[in-house]
Amino acid sequence: AQSVTQLGSHVSVSEGALVLLRCNYSSSVPPYLFWYVQYPNQGLQLLLKYTTGATLVKGINGFEAEFKKSETSFHLTKPSAHMSDAAEYFCAVTYTGGFKTIFGAGTRLFVKA
Amino acid sequence: GAVVSQHPSRVICKSGTSVKIECRSLDFQATTMFWYRQFPKQSLMLMATSNEGSKATYEQGVEKDKFLINHASLTLSTLTVTSAHPEDSSFYICSAREVLDRTDTQYFGPGTRLTVL
Repeated sequence: AQSVTQLGSHVSVSEGALVLLRCNYSSSVPPYLFWYVQYPNQGLQLLLKYTTGATLVKGINGFEAEFKKSETSFHLTKPSAHMSDAAEYFCAVTYTGGFKTIFGAGTRLFVKA
Repeated sequence: GAVVSQHPSRVICKSGTSVKIECRSLDFQATTMFWYRQFPKQSLMLMATSNEGSKATYEQGVEKDKFLINHASLTLSTLTVTSAHPEDSSFYICSAREVLDRTDTQYFGPGTRLTVL
């Protein structure tokens, strides 16, 4: 079965520290991979996506993610956390066959001053 | 990027009434739209895929007679929660699929908070 696993429902970092949010997927075919951010009572905002080509993808707000096929991972990173990064982050996978998107359970990022 | 709107953003209704939520793609045509449901502090669960001019495809466990979906035009899909009950209270999010020459992207609406009393 196709699935997306986000390790850690909560991640807490200090302001200025590295942010690492983990995402692993299961797939028998190459998927499209996404990271979204959601602020309270709002919809989803696309941070970045991988479809084809370069495996290191840069997104908005200084975030980037690397697609590692051998590890079936798509971890999200940011070198230096900012208070405004505190939000819920969702990893998502879309399978090219049917274009259904499957979301991970989400990781809430806390940024401490 | 493209914009998707939802209306209303919040709605409170009495148990037993029906509520209609609109999802519009404002600057592109979307042959496919998706409806998701999100419970508090949980992830998004796909409810159904809405295809313009044809019947929606519902995910397993979603009652099609309770959650009526209509995709009458290339820019509008509606979700009607019929005979709503408190357990239907949730955050409903739609997305619209934009297919161009070399890209295939989903854009999400801002969501609709439904509270059933």
